[in-house]
Amino acid sequence: GAVVSQHPSRVICKSGTSVKIECRSLDFQATTMFWYRQFPKKSLMLMATSNEGSKATYEQGVEKDKFLINHASLTLSTLTVTSAHPEDSSFYICSAAQVNTEAFFGQGTRLTVV
Amino acid sequence: RKEVEQDPGPFNVPEGATVAFNCTYSNSASQSFFWYRQDCRKEPKLLMSVYSSGNEDGRFTAQLNRASQYISLLIRDSKLSDSATYLCVARNAGNMLTFGGGTRLMVKP
Repeated sequence: GAVVSQHPSRVICKSGTSVKIECRSLDFQATTMFWYRQFPKKSLMLMATSNEGSKATYEQGVEKDKFLINHASLTLSTLTVTSAHPEDSSFYICSAAQVNTEAFFGQGTRLTVV
Repeated sequence: RKEVEQDPGPFNVPEGATVAFNCTYSNSASQSFFWYRQDCRKEPKLLMSVYSSGNEDGRFTAQLNRASQYISLLIRDSKLSDSATYLCVARNAGNMLTFGGGTRLMVKP
């Protein structure tokens, strides 16, 4: 299947700092990219959907100024967690899809804010 | 009501058993469907797409019932390695993917 690379896989940061997570589709052009977070033993929670070149659509309850999403090209989307706090610690996963195909997931980023 | 609903389980079954999961969706405009598998602390991985005619891949069979708006996944001859969370996904015409909450399967020796 197609490959989606997410980086970093694990990051520990201090409270108040910002963290950028990258999501790249390596062998296809992703029309749409999705960002999720997942707490332990809980289901995936969609945070936002982004289409290349346009602003991301955020789910209700997700602060767009805190979780900045940029989808500058068909192969790269970034999620920046700004002014991170311990409650932002979670597993963040991206997925990428073309029109009418299945989505492929990145490996996920485990964020720990201390 | 959630757009895609699954029984969270867990389903505890012995090795060799047959187990089935159902998933219901509320958006009748959903166009395509998938089953993903997620292992603990890992990203979801595509298990199989679900076609209207039903499809089979080894021990796994997926079916779609548009009239009743549900999809199913049947696992035959369960293996210990099948233990995971199975996620049902619906895609609408706008390329929007909606995930169910997942069904946890635990296969015991």
